[in-house]
Amino acid sequence: QTVVTQEPSFSVSPGGTVTLTCGLKSGSVSTTYYPSWYQQTPGQAPRALIYNTDSRSSGVPDRFSGSILGNKAALTITGAQADDDSDYYCVLYMGSGISVFGGGTKLTVL
Amino acid sequence: QLQLQESGPGLVKPSETLSLTCSVSGGSVSRNTHYWGWVRQPPGKALEWIGSIYYDGSTYYNPSLKSRVTISIDTSKNQFSLELYSVTAADTAVFYCARHFEHSLFDPWGQGILVTVSS
Repeated sequence: QTVVTQEPSFSVSPGGTVTLTCGLKSGSVSTTYYPSWYQQTPGQAPRALIYNTDSRSSGVPDRFSGSILGNKAALTITGAQADDDSDYYCVLYMGSGISVFGGGTKLTVL
Repeated sequence: QLQLQESGPGLVKPSETLSLTCSVSGGSVSRNTHYWGWVRQPPGKALEWIGSIYYDGSTYYNPSLKSRVTISIDTSKNQFSLELYSVTAADTAVFYCARHFEHSLFDPWGQGILVTVSS
């Protein structure tokens, strides 16, 4: 069974920059996995941020960016704001129509 | 603007079948440019992809759930549905429906519906 790994938690100061990562327990993440990223606040549905590694979804501010860093997908938030305090999930496409979510990262802005 | 809305029972008994429907407005489920998917989230836990369906009825399922899941589509009603069989307490979750573009983009999402499995 494919396991997608994310940092369980992370913290950043307001105005700071943070990079969250999305990896594979076995193997390296590349653009061929079409990584996407979602933001979820408590009690709300997830919101798409990034798809196809580095494309921003409609209405997403440009302080959110996606990339591949080393052997992982990455979500970078530049100039963190208080309302960025959320859970962040990545999804990888494994081929044959199969998508796998990561375990999520709880980001605290303080 | 595309909107999705989940509906169905909020309580299901163990060993029974969980049935949910996602109604789509502002767009057609018959479009051949994307899929329609289901994702669940147990309380306090991570999101989990359940499966997705194309307008022509072709489906993809999470291998870990495949034996207990059926997703169907009704283009005449502009909705798609989820059935999860032989449920247990471990299936208690918020269930979301979403438009699912090829290669994993889920956007937008429905608001979600909490389904509790309990006798």
